[in-house]
Formats: sequence, C-alpha cells, structure tokens
Amino acid sequence: AQSVTQPDIHITVSEGASLELRCNYSYGATPYLFWYVQSPGQGLQLLLKYFSGDTLVQGIKGFEAEFKRSQSSFNLRKPSVHWSDAAEYFCAVTGFQKLVFGTGTRLLVSP
Amino acid sequence: DAGVIQSPRHEVTEMGQEVTLRCKPISGHNSLFWYRQTMMRGLELLIYFNNNVPIDDSGMPEDRFSAKMPNASFSTLKIQPSEPRDSAVYFCASSLSNLAPGELFFGEGSRLTVL
Repeated sequence: AQSVTQPDIHITVSEGASLELRCNYSYGATPYLFWYVQSPGQGLQLLLKYFSGDTLVQGIKGFEAEFKRSQSSFNLRKPSVHWSDAAEYFCAVTGFQKLVFGTGTRLLVSP
Repeated sequence: DAGVIQSPRHEVTEMGQEVTLRCKPISGHNSLFWYRQTMMRGLELLIYFNNNVPIDDSGMPEDRFSAKMPNASFSTLKIQPSEPRDSAVYFCASSLSNLAPGELFFGEGSRLTVL
C-alpha cells in the first residue's frame, strides 16, 4: 500500500529565506506525486504534481519540487519565502484512484 | 467558476443527533471524495465515488457513517448517531479522475462539533 512520510511537523523560516519541505513516499510502481497547501480555515489547493518526465516540476506561487526515485523523495522548494506562504503543506501519492496524504508540515514565516 | 460547495460550514450538535453534510462537486467532475481532518489523525479518506458509484468505503469509521451520491451533482455524508469523537472538519473534493488522477479540488470544509 502506498504511504507518505513528512518528517517535519513544523518549520520556521525567515521571510526572504529559502525553503525546503521534505517528503518520502512508499509505492510499488511509478507514483503520481503531489503537493497541496492548506491555508487556515480553507480546503486544500494543489500546488504542483509529478506524473512522469522531467523530475523537476514547477508549480504555482513560485514553488517547485524534485522527484528523486533513488531516494523515494519528492521535496518541495521555494527560493524566497513570503509571509503569505505561511500554511500547512501536504505531500500526497496515488497510483490512480486513491490519494494518500502525509501528515503535513506547518510552515511558519518569521519577519 | 463555482468550486466544490459544502454545507453547512459549521455544525454544532449534541451527542446522539443525526448530522448530514452536503457536497456539490464541480460540474463535469466524475469522482467525489469525502475526507475527515483531525489534529490526531490528519487527513483520512472516508469514501470515494466514481461516476456516482461508491468505489472504496474502507475508510468509513463504522456503521454510524453513511454516504450517498444520488446524482452527479450532489453527495451527502450522514452520521447517525453522532458522538463527540466525530468532531472534525469534513472535506469534500472532486476530480476528473480518468484524465487527472490525484488532482483534487477541495471544498472549504464542514466543521462539525459534537457536544
């Protein structure tokens, strides 16, 4: 069965600094991988996805993620964090139908 | 464009009462998902439908929970009787599963508090 691990529960980053959120997955075949963001009181919004091809994928709001098969990882990055990026970030994996989410990483942005 | 619409946004009820949560998916989407979010357990998939047919309900906690999708534009999640441990935010999401697996569009959620 597929699973996702997000080892960091909270991360604090200074505004303007770079960000990397970690995600490791477990899946028997080539997975479809996703990052979603949840702002307080809101539903989840898709940031980016990886299906195949180029292992570096670009998403909305200046985010990118890199798929590394050898490490079973799909880490999310942003070169310069803005205060509005403070939210909870979820990594997710699916084979086709059932999307399984990680436990989330809460990003705090300090001035 | 209208997104996924959930109602009510907030519900406070007493233990033992019936609770019905409603969802209108995005028009044209063929898959619908119900998730529950709590601090302790994170995001849990309760059930999902494909073309109005329940495909996997293995996440439904127990017989007190039931979900229906009578047509492509409406789904309900019912809890009867409700218990305090059912307090959570319930999300509905829809997608075009065949064309974009995993690309879910979420509603804003229904926050349920059972006293």
